[in-house]
Amino acid sequence: GQQLNQSPQSMFIQEGEDVSMNCTSSSIFNTWLWYKQDPGEGPVLLIALYKAGELTSNGRLTAQFGITRKDSFLNISASIPSDVGIYFCAGTYTSGTYKYIFGTGTRLKVLA
Amino acid sequence: GAVVSQHPSWVICKSGTSVKIECRSLDFQATTMFWYRQFPKQSLMLMATSNEGSKATYEQGVEKDKFLINHASLTLSTLTVTSAHPEDSSFYICSARDFHRGNTYEQYFGPGTRLTVT
Repeated sequence: GQQLNQSPQSMFIQEGEDVSMNCTSSSIFNTWLWYKQDPGEGPVLLIALYKAGELTSNGRLTAQFGITRKDSFLNISASIPSDVGIYFCAGTYTSGTYKYIFGTGTRLKVLA
Repeated sequence: GAVVSQHPSWVICKSGTSVKIECRSLDFQATTMFWYRQFPKQSLMLMATSNEGSKATYEQGVEKDKFLINHASLTLSTLTVTSAHPEDSSFYICSARDFHRGNTYEQYFGPGTRLTVT
């Protein structure tokens, strides 16, 4: 099935550093969402974006809905060890079905 | 709020047997639930959309006779893997939309069920 491309695929960072990751698509999306998944668990919703250009924060996390509607960005400021996990973007482009297309994931590891 | 549970959290079964996985929305009503499959180190792949009181909609390539979905109430959807084979071993995750939140696209995910077929 179709997937969104996420970059980077994985990253190691030092505690306290800021992190940026993005998600791109060849198609226009109506909604972008960001989830975090810990090993052996289901994804947890971090941020949902509904308008092109929208910038939304949730604590140390900030996400943006790209102007072209074909991309989205997630930034994590001052990373801490519990930020470790896999971050997935998800988008919807078919109105009325509420189906997600998931990104390929960014695996984050934080070095204390 | 918006808690989704799955049962069992893990199951081991023999090849040829059937396994039922339950997905419940604990503190909200969900007219729509989704079933995903996730292989190790991979993303989530949508298998089907489950609508309360109607037939599920399956994604291309997903065998509806093998993965039976029943959404009998606003808080419960079940996925039955029939005649399971080792290649069906995977992490199955459900999600649900909150019926009372209108057009929100937010899905709340269960903790997943790890199925191992021997």
